[in-house]
Amino acid sequence: DVVLTQSPLSLPVTLGQPASISCRSSQSLVYVDGNTYLTWFHQRPGQSPRRLIYKVSNRDSGVPDRFSGSGSGTDFTLRISRVEADDVGVYYCMQGSLWPRSFGQGTKVEIK
Amino acid sequence: HVHLHESGSGLVKPSETLSLTCNVSGVSITDFYWTWIRQSPGKGLEWIGYISYTGSTNYNPSLRSRVTMSSDKSKNQFYLSVTSVTAADTGIYYCAQSPRGMTTIESWGQGTLVTVSS
Repeated sequence: DVVLTQSPLSLPVTLGQPASISCRSSQSLVYVDGNTYLTWFHQRPGQSPRRLIYKVSNRDSGVPDRFSGSGSGTDFTLRISRVEADDVGVYYCMQGSLWPRSFGQGTKVEIK
Repeated sequence: HVHLHESGSGLVKPSETLSLTCNVSGVSITDFYWTWIRQSPGKGLEWIGYISYTGSTNYNPSLRSRVTMSSDKSKNQFYLSVTSVTAADTGIYYCAQSPRGMTTIESWGQGTLVTVSS
């Protein structure tokens, strides 16, 4: 099975400062069609996850452009250019290239 | 805009069967893939499996022997059954909508807590 390893697991950040979360895969996530199906979700306390980014770097409608995704192969990053109070919660990566689908352990973002 | 709502057994005894329903509104279940995911403190988010618009299924090998998914197009609902449950099956169960091939998850239900306890 594909293992997604996120780091850090806890990320205290200062409002207005940037933040970065890594997601490393145990296998390449490049699919036979040439696409890389790596998704990022944000889960606020008491809520279900919400998709932010799909296919590595495509932002969902309504997601602020402070959020960006990058990476290739086995190494991916979610960046928040300037953290706002609404960004707290847990961020998960998920791979949709190999079976069974799998998620990272999550990174908890909190305000310092 | 798609809306998903889970319902079903909130408390299940060990060795019994967990049964959940996901009601879909806003789109037809014949248009997408439909996924179940669970979340527990010990194991984080775990993909359980999907049922496609054709009715084909694909389950996580870790659960395959105990899981069945089905759907009812006339009710625009899909279902999850997990047999022989143990405390390890306790968690929040989410139904979700995926595009063809289940390469990502586009929308999630609000989740339902299932507790396995005698």
